[in-house]
Amino acid sequence: QSALTQPASMSESPGQSITISCTGTRIDLDDYNSVSWYQQHPGKAPKLIIYDVNNRPSGVSARFSASKSGSTASLTISGLQAEDEADYFCCSYTSSGTVVFGGGTKLTVL
Amino acid sequence: QMQLVQSGPEVKRPGTSVKVSCEASGFSFVSSAVQWVRQARGQGLEWIGRIAVGSGDTGFAQKFQERVTITRDMATSTVYLDLSSLRSEDTAVYFCAAIRWGAVSGMDVWGQGTTVTVSS
Repeated sequence: QSALTQPASMSESPGQSITISCTGTRIDLDDYNSVSWYQQHPGKAPKLIIYDVNNRPSGVSARFSASKSGSTASLTISGLQAEDEADYFCCSYTSSGTVVFGGGTKLTVL
Repeated sequence: QMQLVQSGPEVKRPGTSVKVSCEASGFSFVSSAVQWVRQARGQGLEWIGRIAVGSGDTGFAQKFQERVTITRDMATSTVYLDLSSLRSEDTAVYFCAAIRWGAVSGMDVWGQGTTVTVSS
């Protein structure tokens, strides 16, 4: 099962917005609305920030939003803050009932 | 509060097996699916497999299918990951994570991680 494709690293200044892409194939992203996104700070467990393409769990900042078009999902973080500096992973179910993660994007807030 | 508490670090020889536990509390264990995910140092997340706690139904990533077992103990609200024929490439932090049916359809409860080191 190939991982979903994400940019390895991105950087942006505080207060700006950034969009992280996640590209898959028809068998994972295209046919399903089960995309989720996770934030991971160094040495910590991942944290769910988006589920079912564009839903935020309770307590997650509204600065996080997401969408999907065809085989590409996107996570947008607006009003970047220093605490947003972390690794971000997309995740999806596949047609065979398994789960696949993106390779991860290291976000630096300059 | 909702939590998953994992067992402690393990050091294993190549060719042996490791069993990692994950004890749930603070949410409906029977109405969840517990996933196992691992992360090698400096690398991304890799899904290993899952168990639907209520039914006991399991599913695995193809690369692990021959050497992984996931079980649960309803009496202690604990899920176990058993990985056999260990090799150095299995050195990683292993996380359990729960999807709570009827809540959010993502892994919103995570264990603290268990470091497994495979070395001769």
